[in-house]
Amino acid sequence: QVQLVESGGGGVQPGRSLRLSCAVSGIKFSSYAMHWVRQAPGKGLEWVGIISYDGSNEHYADSVKGRFTISRDNSKNTLYLQMNSLRTEDTAVYYCARDEAQQPLDYWGQGTLVTVSS
Amino acid sequence: SYELTQPPSVSVSPGQTARITCSGDALPKRYAYWYQQKSGQAPVLVIYEDSKRPSGIPERFSGSSSGTMGTLTVSGAQVDDEADYYCYSTDSSGNHRVFGGGTKLTVL
Repeated sequence: QVQLVESGGGGVQPGRSLRLSCAVSGIKFSSYAMHWVRQAPGKGLEWVGIISYDGSNEHYADSVKGRFTISRDNSKNTLYLQMNSLRTEDTAVYYCARDEAQQPLDYWGQGTLVTVSS
Repeated sequence: SYELTQPPSVSVSPGQTARITCSGDALPKRYAYWYQQKSGQAPVLVIYEDSKRPSGIPERFSGSSSGTMGTLTVSGAQVDDEADYYCYSTDSSGNHRVFGGGTKLTVL
């Protein structure tokens, strides 16, 4: 079955960096673009960014542009989110999700919590 | 930046029809998608391309779009349908995705 498993979350101080991973199995990972989506405690979903199937193209939400970088290793079936210059407002559960052409965000991971606090 | 606007909450009695709206300037040219999120769980796609239902989603869920407004309809709402619902779409460039603020559906 399809599985997306995020890891790498935890507590971090403002201004520091953190890298999240999303291990994907059960699909041909290299054929699909992938998203990161986050959800602050008690708040709604916020789209973070997307990377193309081959890693050649990325787009980001204005709130993270210039601080976050999405990358992927198709040989390892793994998606990454490098988060730099973290702010308290980046505190959220971070989800990875598959981008299918007709049914985007059809498969999601269980999420990993990032807490930015001094 | 582009925004999608949803009502914060909708409340219906069991068996009634619930309608949740999503407003966005680019919706005349971009599809709307709808996600259901129950407490503590990852979201689930319930409507794609304005009105299509993924495999396994009950027929009581339907979608429509007219002009700058997309609508998710839950016909004969059940207590199990209580959840937060989010619309999702892209801006006019197609590069930036966005979620609406979410609507809490209460069925009681």
